[in-house]
Amino acid sequence: SYVLTQPPSVSVAPGKTARITCGGNNIGSKSVHWYQQKPGQAPVLVIYYDSDRPSGIPERFSGSNSGNTATLTISRVEAGDEADYYCQVWDSSSDVVFGGGTKLTVL
Amino acid sequence: QVQLQESGPGLVKPSQTLSLTCTVSGGSISSGSYYWSWIRQPAGKGLEWIGRIYTSGSTNYNPSLKSRVTISVDTSKNQFSLKLSSVTAADTAVYYCARGGDSSSYGMDVWGQGTTVTVSS
Repeated sequence: SYVLTQPPSVSVAPGKTARITCGGNNIGSKSVHWYQQKPGQAPVLVIYYDSDRPSGIPERFSGSNSGNTATLTISRVEAGDEADYYCQVWDSSSDVVFGGGTKLTVL
Repeated sequence: QVQLQESGPGLVKPSQTLSLTCTVSGGSISSGSYYWSWIRQPAGKGLEWIGRIYTSGSTNYNPSLKSRVTISVDTSKNQFSLKLSSVTAADTAVYYCARGGDSSSYGMDVWGQGTTVTVSS
């Protein structure tokens, strides 16, 4: 089955840039989606199709995908961005696959 | 806009069948090109996809749960449902329903608030 690997945690100071990676075998050939989940809340889609933003998601959120790594980038990080972030792809064998999640801490 | 709401028992005994329903409001479950999915999250852990259904009735399941899962849809009630048989304590989790775009290019853009299911005698 297809495996997506995320770092357990990322820390960043307010106003700086956070980068959260999602590793997978030839993930660049797949469409990657990213979700933000705050404590006690349902996940929210923040990036789809590698780099597209749903309406209402700030431009500070961006994504890229190439080779074996997809990256979610959050610019000018705010305290309200503190959350767990999950990547997700479709895989022909496993269908929908989520990464293990990354806890973003704003220092 | 479309909203999803999970409902069902919060407590299920071991070896029994967990049954949940997701009610779609603000739009027809049959309109557009979407699939309807179930995802779960044990306390303090990550998201696990359970399976999905299209309004045609076509389904896909997580291989690790496939033998115990059935997802069905009732378009007349604008609902879809999850049945998970032979539950154990490992099935204790928050269960979410979600809407996904009918293509790998789209993520799951609408989620229910989640419902907690505990498996215990």
